[in-house]
Amino acid sequence: KQEVTQIPAALSVPEGENLVLNCSFTDSAIYNLQWFRQDPGKGLTSLLLIQSSQREQTSGRLNASLDKSSGRSTLYIAASQPGDSATYLCAVRTGANNLFFGTGTRLTVIP
Amino acid sequence: EAGVVQSPRYKIIEKKQPVAFWCNPISGHNTLYWYLQNLGQGPELLIRYENEEAVDDSQLPKDRFSAERLKGVDSTLKIQPAELGDSAVYLCASSPRGRELFFGEGSRLTVL
Repeated sequence: KQEVTQIPAALSVPEGENLVLNCSFTDSAIYNLQWFRQDPGKGLTSLLLIQSSQREQTSGRLNASLDKSSGRSTLYIAASQPGDSATYLCAVRTGANNLFFGTGTRLTVIP
Repeated sequence: EAGVVQSPRYKIIEKKQPVAFWCNPISGHNTLYWYLQNLGQGPELLIRYENEEAVDDSQLPKDRFSAERLKGVDSTLKIQPAELGDSAVYLCASSPRGRELFFGEGSRLTVL
């Protein structure tokens, strides 16, 4: 069974700093990987989707990379803002269309 | 385009009572998921539908949980009877098969 790990569980940074969130998975036979953001009491909002054939995807200040062979993905956030404070989750989709989620990284950006 | 719609947003019931959650996925999305999320944890799959067929319900506690997706569109998740440990957020998500996943706002259940 695919296992997805996100480290660290929590992260605090001052406003303006660049940061990297990590996601690792045990089975490299994935179909795609998706990064989400979740605000307290809300559902998950999709940020970026990377197909297994891709190495990275970018959206604004966000850049997600994928290294299937090592079972890792990173989410890079440039010039962090207080509004970026949220929990960030990654999810791995297998070829059988099953999704496996990490437990998330809770990010706090301090003004 | 409307997103995934769930109702109710909040529900408080006493243990042993029944409860039902409703989900309307994004139009044209043939895959529908129900997830359970506990505080500080990632979502855990309860059931996945491809159109109207439940293709993965291995994690659904079938003694008290049931789900249906009539005509391959809306879906209902039911718990009967509810237990204290069922207090959680129930999330519905939809996607075109194998593609980007979209979530609703969730239904927060509190069992007293």
